[in-house]
Parts: sequence; structure tokens; C-alpha cells
Amino acid sequence: GQQLNQSPQSMFIQEGEDVSMNCTSSSIFNTWLWYKQDPGEGPVLLIALYKAGELTSNGRLTAQFGITRKDSFLNISASIPSDVGIYFCAGQLKTSGSRLTFGEGTQLTVNP
Amino acid sequence: GAVVSQHPSRVICKSGTSVKIECRSLDFQATTMFWYRQFPKQSLMLMATSNEGSKATYEQGVEKDKFLINHASLTLSTLTVTSAHPEDSSFYICSAIRGGQPQHFGDGTRLSIL
Repeated sequence: GQQLNQSPQSMFIQEGEDVSMNCTSSSIFNTWLWYKQDPGEGPVLLIALYKAGELTSNGRLTAQFGITRKDSFLNISASIPSDVGIYFCAGQLKTSGSRLTFGEGTQLTVNP
Repeated sequence: GAVVSQHPSRVICKSGTSVKIECRSLDFQATTMFWYRQFPKQSLMLMATSNEGSKATYEQGVEKDKFLINHASLTLSTLTVTSAHPEDSSFYICSAIRGGQPQHFGDGTRLSIL
């Protein structure tokens, strides 16, 4: 089945720093999604990408859908303590209905 | 605000007990809902796709008789973990699709089997 490789696995940064994480796949996806999960809660959608090459922002977050359709990155600018959490990428194939394939997650720690 | 409600948020019970978890879509009809399982420090693993009015579609390796899914209405899907054992302890999360939007997730249920 499809696999998503997400990196880095974890990041420890200082407040105010920028962060970048990415996902790559051996398969082509039609949709890329980025979610954030806080401890003990379900994932919350941050950004959805639907077209190859698409660059979308949501506040301090920016994500891009790779031209090859096999990768995506998420950038967080000027990090703040509440950015702490686990960030997941997820890909969706048109042929798989609405099923998602998730990356392994990036644990972000922001030191004040 | 939340669009998917999951209940209960936490369950602690004895081995051999059956546990039911509810997933409700708030203010919208969800013909499709999904059930995931998540172990500590791991990603979400899809267990099954719940289809309103029909049988659920289970992922490979997920026991249908162990994890019973019922999607009797357009706003409610239930997951019943039958005869739960300690190895079934995990974080269970549901999601629902609203229109053409990406999946919206519930807040999860922490299941602890003693």
C-alpha cells in the first residue's frame, strides 16, 4: 500500500524560529492535507492542498503541494509555544474514495 | 466549533468487557465515517470505513467480530470493542466527511483495559 515518509520525526526549537517539515511518497496523491494533534485530542485540519504546485497559507503556516504530486511541505514562521504538538501530513487518492494515508508525524517542541 | 463529537472521551474497564464508542456528526449528515486507532507516539491507523445503511469496510488485519461498527443513521456511527483485553487499550478516533471537505476528526476516546 501507499506509504508516506514524514520528516523530521521530532524538532526542538526556540520560540520565534521558523520550522519546516515535509512528506514524501512513492505514490501520486490528488490531495495533501496537514493536521495538528494536541495531546489527548483528535487531529485538527490546518491546510488542504488540491493542485500540484499549489502554495497555501493559513496565518503563520504555509504549505505546498509538490509538482510531482509525491511530496508536500509545511512551514511555520515565528513559532510560538502553542505551536507545540504533533503535525501529520495525509494524502488522499481519488481512487481510494475519501480514505487518507497518514505520515508518521513530526513532534514539535517550542522552548519559550 | 467542533463538527464531530465522540463519546466517551475516556473509558477504563475490566478485561472481558465490551465497550461502545459513539461518533456523531453535528449539524450535518455524514454518509461516511472512519474509525482509527492510535498507539502512543504513533500515527493514526485506519481500522474501517463506516457506511450509513450498509456494512463497514474493514482494513486488512482488523477483526470484524472484534470491532463491531454500526452506522444506523446519517449522524451516528458506533464502534463496539467486544470482549476487550489489555492489548485493545489504545486511543480510538473517528472522523466524518462534511460535503466535499477533508475529514473532520472527533476528540478521540482513550480506552484502558485492566
